[in-house]
Amino acid sequence: SQQGEEDPQALSIQEGENATMNCSYKTSINNLQWYRQNSGRGLVHLILIRSNEREKHSGRLRVTLDTSKKSSSLLITASRAADTASYFCATYGGGNMLTFGGGTRLMVKP
Amino acid sequence: DAMVIQNPRYQVTQFGKPVTLSCSQTLNHNVMYWYQQKSSQAPKLLFHYYDKDFNNEADTPDNFQSRRPNTSFCFLDIRSPGLGDAAMYLCATSREDREGNEQFFGPGTRLTVL
Repeated sequence: SQQGEEDPQALSIQEGENATMNCSYKTSINNLQWYRQNSGRGLVHLILIRSNEREKHSGRLRVTLDTSKKSSSLLITASRAADTASYFCATYGGGNMLTFGGGTRLMVKP
Repeated sequence: DAMVIQNPRYQVTQFGKPVTLSCSQTLNHNVMYWYQQKSSQAPKLLFHYYDKDFNNEADTPDNFQSRRPNTSFCFLDIRSPGLGDAAMYLCATSREDREGNEQFFGPGTRLTVL
């Protein structure tokens, strides 16, 4: 079963706006990762945040992690049409395995 | 560039006809994974290899088998595909790390069952 649940399931915004996606999970984790998947393609790793970190930045991406609430958020600032994709959070709790959330489908309109 | 390669990208098979999907990697990662992903759903882990050690997920149907003849290659065998096995199959690799490294995914093989 899925570890994480993502919210919203779908998000449609205009180019230049910010996009925020949320992820909740159920058990303790070592780290939480975000992946992007373009339509019909494989997943691409975006960013990893460890359980002892609260916030991390990478370019236009900002990830927060609240282990007390078992939740994370991914913020994409100044979105572009090329950011249109599905975004998945994935938790790592050991054993070489990730458990993926259901994903958020982001559409950025030009 | 180091990468994960999957062949073929699209596979069509008939109901009940065995099919094999292949994955190769040039990253020299010791862990390889096979995921099944159906439309608008999260990837679902089928099994993974830690070096040569095979780890099957409890709910992976017996219809699915895997082989890893060497570090670089991994195969997914579907012995008798059913209509419900139509999906995207994703291969991924990672380097073993206690803290959990990122996984590198191939482009996927989309399987159609007629």
